[in-house]
Amino acid sequence: NAGVTQTPKFRILKIGQSMTLQCTQDMNHNYMYWYRQDPGMGLKLIYYSVGAGITDKGEVPNGYNVSRSTTEDFPLRLELAAPSQTSVYFCASSQRDRGNTEAFFGQGTRLTVV
Amino acid sequence: EDKVVQSPLSLVVHEGDTVTLNCSYEVTNFRSLLWYKQEKKAPTFLFMLTSSGIEKKSGRLSSILDKKELFSILNITATQTGDSAIYLCAVANNAGNMLTFGGGTRLMVKP
Repeated sequence: NAGVTQTPKFRILKIGQSMTLQCTQDMNHNYMYWYRQDPGMGLKLIYYSVGAGITDKGEVPNGYNVSRSTTEDFPLRLELAAPSQTSVYFCASSQRDRGNTEAFFGQGTRLTVV
Repeated sequence: EDKVVQSPLSLVVHEGDTVTLNCSYEVTNFRSLLWYKQEKKAPTFLFMLTSSGIEKKSGRLSSILDKKELFSILNITATQTGDSAIYLCAVANNAGNMLTFGGGTRLMVKP
């Protein structure tokens, strides 16, 4: 059981470039999330999805886009990379029913924009 | 806006010491509070607390929630160097859709 898988693990982008961070989960979870974590800080929610075809903004959505065409996949798109987007990105999923709120995290993607 | 504040920001102790990490929160329609341990990479789940006064325990770690005073503590007894990590507290509301994380407490346990 792979859990939550993110790719790539590391990436360096030039200002203005675009890229997609991939996230897939094999636990059939309905909820998926993208967080970013800046050095020494907690996690801030970028976007989340409550199910296939449904996405919504979190705390810091500017500069990002997401899609959820399947239950398994929740890619995060950066269209015009900026230095402020240098961060570690975590994808997570959870099954939000019967009071369960535990989120399972991927291993993270370290992104540097230069 | 939901808010989670953790203290202290960082802590250095020696092996064998006992530590208490604090998490206070403001959240509309509280559902649960979760503690995570983050070493080098992804946060790993420790506890989920939904009811006041009921201690959750796992080995040397324990946690309790006070819904009246809006805080939780995470205790680690007989600390070991392997306990060195960032400990994250998060709250979920009944809107159900997201976790709000605190800034974390960085714990370093010295031999």
